[in-house]
Amino acid sequence: DADVTQTPRNRITKTGKRIMLECSQTKGHDRMYWYRQDPGLGLRLIYYSFDVKDINKGEISDGYSVSRQAQAKFSLSLESAIPNQTALYFCATSVYNEQFFGPGTRLTVL
Amino acid sequence: KQEVTQIPAALSVPEGENLVLNCSFTDSAIYNLQWFRQDPGKGLTSLLLIQSSQREQTSGRLNASLDKSSGRSTLYIAASQPGDSATYLCAVLMTNFGNEKLTFGTGTRLTIIP
Repeated sequence: DADVTQTPRNRITKTGKRIMLECSQTKGHDRMYWYRQDPGLGLRLIYYSFDVKDINKGEISDGYSVSRQAQAKFSLSLESAIPNQTALYFCATSVYNEQFFGPGTRLTVL
Repeated sequence: KQEVTQIPAALSVPEGENLVLNCSFTDSAIYNLQWFRQDPGKGLTSLLLIQSSQREQTSGRLNASLDKSSGRSTLYIAASQPGDSATYLCAVLMTNFGNEKLTFGTGTRLTIIP
């Protein structure tokens, strides 16, 4: 089984809908992250968490929220999805400052 | 603001050749640098991590070097194989009083021609 899993893997939704992306890890790492990847822009950090209930904003947090209720789970929510949130979303964990990524969720907002 | 650049954006080489991928960064006060590969439709796989105090790291046919003062890192791939075809990303980690930021380059798409 993969160490970092993301669900769903693909999602198509409409403008204004609320969406939640889930991330689970079996690595036992305290630190978890959400990134988005857009063509030509590289990966950009949305939110990160160093422990349960610890939440920190990344460089592009507007329009997103996160929840870290357990060490193994870190969820990302789009309260009201808009088309420019169409992207590939990655969850990651880290230990000793080395990051490990999940397989990604491809989100399309119509 | 840290900026990470990878040139070229795409590279094609015949199978069996040795090759070098480049990564440059503007702020040399990094904590570490990490190289990843990304296969189409898949996540990022960590290849090598170089701490700021190190000059290079090796794993199999891969060797990554770091020159912090000049803001450069290279990933050397020996005896390339078609399975090496992927996009290679470098990322630098900056830390400051518990806050951390990993800045990614936009990657080099590598194609190994059989």
